[in-house]
Amino acid sequence: QQPVQSPQAVILREGEDAVINCSSSKALYSVHWYRQKHGEAPVFLMILLKGGEQKGHDKISASFNEKKQQSSLYLTASQLSYSGTYFCGTGGVFTDKLIFGTGTRLQVFP
Amino acid sequence: GAVVSQHPSWVICKSGTSVKIECRSLDFQATTMFWYRQFPKQSLMLMATSNEGSKATYEQGVEKDKFLINHASLTLSTLTVTSAHPEDSSFYICSASDATYEQYFGPGTRLTVT
Repeated sequence: QQPVQSPQAVILREGEDAVINCSSSKALYSVHWYRQKHGEAPVFLMILLKGGEQKGHDKISASFNEKKQQSSLYLTASQLSYSGTYFCGTGGVFTDKLIFGTGTRLQVFP
Repeated sequence: GAVVSQHPSWVICKSGTSVKIECRSLDFQATTMFWYRQFPKQSLMLMATSNEGSKATYEQGVEKDKFLINHASLTLSTLTVTSAHPEDSSFYICSASDATYEQYFGPGTRLTVT
C-alpha cells in the first residue's frame, strides 16, 4: 500500500520552514526522500535506515521513527530552489524496491 | 558518479506500434533496475523490478505481455511498450541500484501515443 504524505501541498515565503510527513501501514526498513521538479526525474535527497536515524544536509534534515512507521522531512529557511514535489519512498526488509508516497507539492515564493 | 541515462527523452508514436526505451547505468554496475510510470500530478508507480539475466518481476496490475522488460547486462535494461495505445501515454522513469539501498534515477522518457 502506498505511503501517505501530509500535507498534500505547502506554500511558503522564502525563509520560512516546512515539515513533510510520510506514514506507512507496513513495517519499514528504509525511507528515501526525493524532490522532483516538473517534467524531470526525481532527485535523491537522503536515505534513512532502520535504527531511528536522523540525518541532515545544509538546511534539509529528516527523521525516521520505525515504531510509528513514519518519517518526516524538515526544510528550514526555505529557498526558491526548494520548490517542487517531494516524495518519500519506503523500502521493506527483504527487498530493495521502493514504494513511493502520495507526494507533497511545495511552492516557495519570494 | 552514479549516472543513469535513458533514451529517448521523448517519443511520439502511433497507436498500435511498439516503442523501446533504454536505461543505462553509465559509471556503475546495476544489480537491479526498476521501471516506474508517472501520470501527470501523480506519484511514481513501480511497474517492475529487473535483475540482470533473470526475468523481471512485475507489480500487480501491470501486464507482462504489454510491457516487456529485458535486462541484458549489468548496465542496460530495456522496456518495450507493445501495441501502444493512447492510455499508455505517460512519463516512464527507470532507476538503478548498486545494492547500497540507494536508487539512481534516469531523466525519464515521455511517451505520447497518438
